[in-house]
Amino acid sequence: EVQLVESGGGLVQPGGSLRLSCAASGFTFSTYAMHWVRQAPGKGLEYVSAISSNGGSTYYANSVKGRFTISRDNSKNTLYLQMGSLRTEDMAVYYCARDSSDYYLHYFDYWGQGTLVTVSS
Amino acid sequence: DIQMTQSPSTLSASVGDRVTITCRASQSISSSLAWYQQKPGKAPKLLIYKASNLESGVPSRFSGSGSGTEFTLTISSLQPDDFATYYCQQYNSYSQTFGQGTKLEIK
Repeated sequence: EVQLVESGGGLVQPGGSLRLSCAASGFTFSTYAMHWVRQAPGKGLEYVSAISSNGGSTYYANSVKGRFTISRDNSKNTLYLQMGSLRTEDMAVYYCARDSSDYYLHYFDYWGQGTLVTVSS
Repeated sequence: DIQMTQSPSTLSASVGDRVTITCRASQSISSSLAWYQQKPGKAPKLLIYKASNLESGVPSRFSGSGSGTEFTLTISSLQPDDFATYYCQQYNSYSQTFGQGTKLEIK
């Protein structure tokens, strides 16, 4: 059974940093691209970042470019999102999602349960 | 970025009704469109991919159609479990985008 379990969310002050993790199981992690998608409270889904299966290619939405870094450790079956210079508008539930292929231009076939990031002083 | 516009934003319907949600893209995305269902406090769930392909395990009352810039999600006979928010997503460009969502409510 495919499982994606996010962790690392919490309360952080504006300007602070946080690292999210997404532990994957039930599939061969190293053969799938992965994504981060966020959802602000009461709002819709916003695409954040993506990484190819081997980690060689990444993509960032303009809203997080230069502040967030996506990475993966295929030996640990784990996806990461390092978030820096956090703003109040970054407050959201962050979901990791599996791409249906090894490159990040496809739909998302599995999602984690999400982890909440609160940015507040 | 490609803008995705869903209509309506809210839809009130009854069990057994046939409902259709529309998603329009600001430019052609071929058939690179997916539909997701999200219930409160839960992660989105894939329903349809490549505009009209039903994901494994999804009931056959769900169907999708369209290509280019206009797409529809149809639920042929609403069931109590279908009341949720639905999102379309284009994956034709690296800057993938979602529609704003359609909340399907019980009438």
